[in-house]
Amino acid sequence: AQKITQTQPGMFVQEKEAVTLDCTYDTSDPSYGLFWYKQPSSGEMIFLIYQGSYDQQNATEGRYSLNFQKARKSANLVISASQLGDSAMYFCAMRPSNYGGSQGNLIFGKGTKLSVKP
Amino acid sequence: DVKVTQSSRYLVKRTGEKVFLECVQDMDHENMFWYRQDPGLGLRLIYFSYDVKMKEKGDIPEGYSVSREKKERFSLILESASTNQTSMYLCASSPLHMDTQYFGPGTRLTVL
Repeated sequence: AQKITQTQPGMFVQEKEAVTLDCTYDTSDPSYGLFWYKQPSSGEMIFLIYQGSYDQQNATEGRYSLNFQKARKSANLVISASQLGDSAMYFCAMRPSNYGGSQGNLIFGKGTKLSVKP
Repeated sequence: DVKVTQSSRYLVKRTGEKVFLECVQDMDHENMFWYRQDPGLGLRLIYFSYDVKMKEKGDIPEGYSVSREKKERFSLILESASTNQTSMYLCASSPLHMDTQYFGPGTRLTVL
């Protein structure tokens, strides 16, 4: 069965430090996409970063990087230089196929609540 | 910027009422999705649509229906609202051959 597992319900990090949020996935599809979303208390889901299963390099977007270890089926999010505004829920998600259309739905993990301490 | 809007941020309805949640996107995306989000359960897919008048069931379609008469608009319908449908509802859209889904601000529905 296709599944996303986030084992950390909550995390604390000191401002300006780096933090890693864990995500493991389970799929038998040869191609898939992996995503991280941020959800502040306002409720909107904000797209952060994407990694395709055939991408050779780890994805990076500003202070966000995705540590993709295909053999271990893990896709951890690394946030460098944490800011107070990074406090939010973070969701890892998987798209079973790299293509759109009717297979385009996402499977979400249960999320990790990150709190950044000043 | 991609913009996905939802008709209400907060909604309170009574058991048995028919409820319409509207979602509009302005980027000509083919795919549109409805999720519900509950504490400890993450996001679960209710329905999605990859074209006008096309729809497919997600993981938890029971008690819901959808309508997509125009490309930019995807409606979620609760035919007879029940208290267990109290939840946060999130709409998303994506282009046909791209992976990233863009979400609206969510509607927090309370059924009394």
